[in-house]
Amino acid sequence: AQSVSQHNHHVILSEAASLELGCNYSYGGTVNLFWYVQYPGQHLQLLLKYFSGDPLVKGIKGFEAEFIKSKFSFNLRKPSVQWSDTAEYFCAVTGHGNNRLAFGKGNQVVVIP
Amino acid sequence: GAGVSQSPRYKVTKRGQDVALRCDPISGHVSLYWYRQALGQGPEFLTYFNYEAQQDKSGLPNDRFSAERPEGSISTLTIQRTEQRDSAMYRCASSLEVASSGNTIYFGEGSWLTVV
Repeated sequence: AQSVSQHNHHVILSEAASLELGCNYSYGGTVNLFWYVQYPGQHLQLLLKYFSGDPLVKGIKGFEAEFIKSKFSFNLRKPSVQWSDTAEYFCAVTGHGNNRLAFGKGNQVVVIP
Repeated sequence: GAGVSQSPRYKVTKRGQDVALRCDPISGHVSLYWYRQALGQGPEFLTYFNYEAQQDKSGLPNDRFSAERPEGSISTLTIQRTEQRDSAMYRCASSLEVASSGNTIYFGEGSWLTVV
């Protein structure tokens, strides 16, 4: 079964700072990778996803993530955060032929104006 | 509907009572999923349906938990004889196509359950 690790559960940073959230997964086969975001009071929504092809994936709101197969990682980045990026971010993985999303514990990100 | 709709949004129940949580997926979405999220944790898979057929219920923690989707649209997650450890957010999600690893899954706002 697949599993996901996210570190630094709470992240506080100032506007315009750069953000990087780490995600490592454990799975023996080919994977699909996702980042979901939950803004305060809203539902979980998809930020970006990787299925195949270019390992650098660009998502909404200026976020991107890079799949590094040799490191079993799918880290999320944004060069310059805004106050509106305050949210909880979840990394998730499914194995090919398997549609059960396995989530990490999430990163609570607070951006100070 | 425009999005996945769940009800009730908040439920407080006494230990030992049965609870039913409802999910109305996005119109036309074939697959429906249930997840549970405890405080400080990520969502954990419970079960999913393609149309009305329950395909995988291996994530249901014990036989007090059951789910149905009799007409392939609205689904109900039922917890019998609730216990305090059942307190969590229960998330429903749906996807347009028959569930596979390539689908984008859309989540509802969740139902918060507190068992006292």
